[in-house]
Amino acid sequence: SAVISQKPSRDICQRGTSLTIQCQVDSQVTMMFWYRQQPGQSLTLIATANQGSEATYESGFVIDKFPISRPNLTFSTLTVSNMSPEDSSIYLCSARSRASYEQYFGPGTRLTVT
Amino acid sequence: TQLLEQSPQFLSIQEGENLTVYCNSSSVFSSLQWYRQEPGEGPVLLVTVVTGGEVKKLKRLTFQFGDARKDSSLHITAAQTGDTGLYLCAYLQGAQKLVFGQGTRLTINP
Repeated sequence: SAVISQKPSRDICQRGTSLTIQCQVDSQVTMMFWYRQQPGQSLTLIATANQGSEATYESGFVIDKFPISRPNLTFSTLTVSNMSPEDSSIYLCSARSRASYEQYFGPGTRLTVT
Repeated sequence: TQLLEQSPQFLSIQEGENLTVYCNSSSVFSSLQWYRQEPGEGPVLLVTVVTGGEVKKLKRLTFQFGDARKDSSLHITAAQTGDTGLYLCAYLQGAQKLVFGQGTRLTINP
């Protein structure tokens, strides 16, 4: 199993600023992901964080808006850039070992943009 | 991307009642997963179903994978307030990315 922590747990930010969310996994995992969950909605995949290379983004998400780093097997960051109120959401980090069905999730970062 | 449709979208029942929620698609899946998410937390895996017609039980929760592997159901017997949460079905796309349905928000009233 894997335990995932995220920092910060919540933040209120002003329009036009950027926020970096940190994700730490307590064991080495092969795959890490970032999801967005808008209020009352399901989870939408933003990108797969690749160790040592550029993240793989899903349709509708771009690197300039959501730059992602993954310097090692247990840590990743997601930056939400030039924020607008539409970016208000919960951002969740997730991890899985390639051979496993089970995917683990962090508790999420609740972002409010004013 | 294959679409997972969950129904109902919202369900509110009294403690002690039984309920069933559904996850449907027109596509065939090698496996489906069910997750539960409680407020302020990330989703937690409940079960993975792999074989068509498979039934898995987790205490009062019974999961079934359709014979044609296009749909799944979750039945809860004698619901408890602790069962309240968002229930999500999901599949692994390309053995890499987990794709979720829209979810069923379940509220169990005391």
